[in-house]
Amino acid sequence: GENVEQHPSTLSVQEGDSAVIKCTYSDSASNYFPWYKQELGKRPQLIIDIRSNVGEKKDQRIAVTLNKTAKHFSLHITETQPEDSAVYFCAVREGKLIFGAGTRLAVHP
Amino acid sequence: ETGVTQSPTHLIKTRGQQVTLRCSSQSGHNTVSWYQQALGQGPQFIFQYYREEENGRGNFPPRFSGLQFPNYSSELNVNALELDDSALYLCASSLAAGESAGELFFGEGSRLTVL
Repeated sequence: GENVEQHPSTLSVQEGDSAVIKCTYSDSASNYFPWYKQELGKRPQLIIDIRSNVGEKKDQRIAVTLNKTAKHFSLHITETQPEDSAVYFCAVREGKLIFGAGTRLAVHP
Repeated sequence: ETGVTQSPTHLIKTRGQQVTLRCSSQSGHNTVSWYQQALGQGPQFIFQYYREEENGRGNFPPRFSGLQFPNYSSELNVNALELDDSALYLCASSLAAGESAGELFFGEGSRLTVL
């Protein structure tokens, strides 16, 4: 079955810096790659997603890049703000969504 | 448009007991997926229901079972509770199943503590 690895597990940045989280997957047939943000005690919420026919997608300060050959995709957050502090999960769809273990991002003012 | 709602939000059980968790899917969604999220981990897929039929199952024992009703709401039942079943149980609905599922919309979850 699909295996999703996510790095780093924790990430601490200063406000205004960029943050990058990377995920690798094993099933080359996977074609949908969402990123979810989960604040403490809250539900996971979709922040951006990308499909396999696209290499990059951007939405304001958030972007996702996909390298299908290398089987990895990354979340990029620019100009980080304290409200970006949360746990971020990547996921890969193989029929159902398979999630990474999560990255705890802390943005310090 | 109503979102995904789950009940109860919190509950405490003892080992060996049984629990039923409930989920109402988002309006217009016919597919419900259940996930278990242990503390500090990513959600783990339990199973999915599409039009009242189980449509895929993760690596969970048979004491985890479910139902989907004609209105697409769903239940997760866990028998013979174990300490390791303590987790946040998330329900997510989507417009369809499989590769055309699109975005998953999560409920706030039911936090189960097994003592």
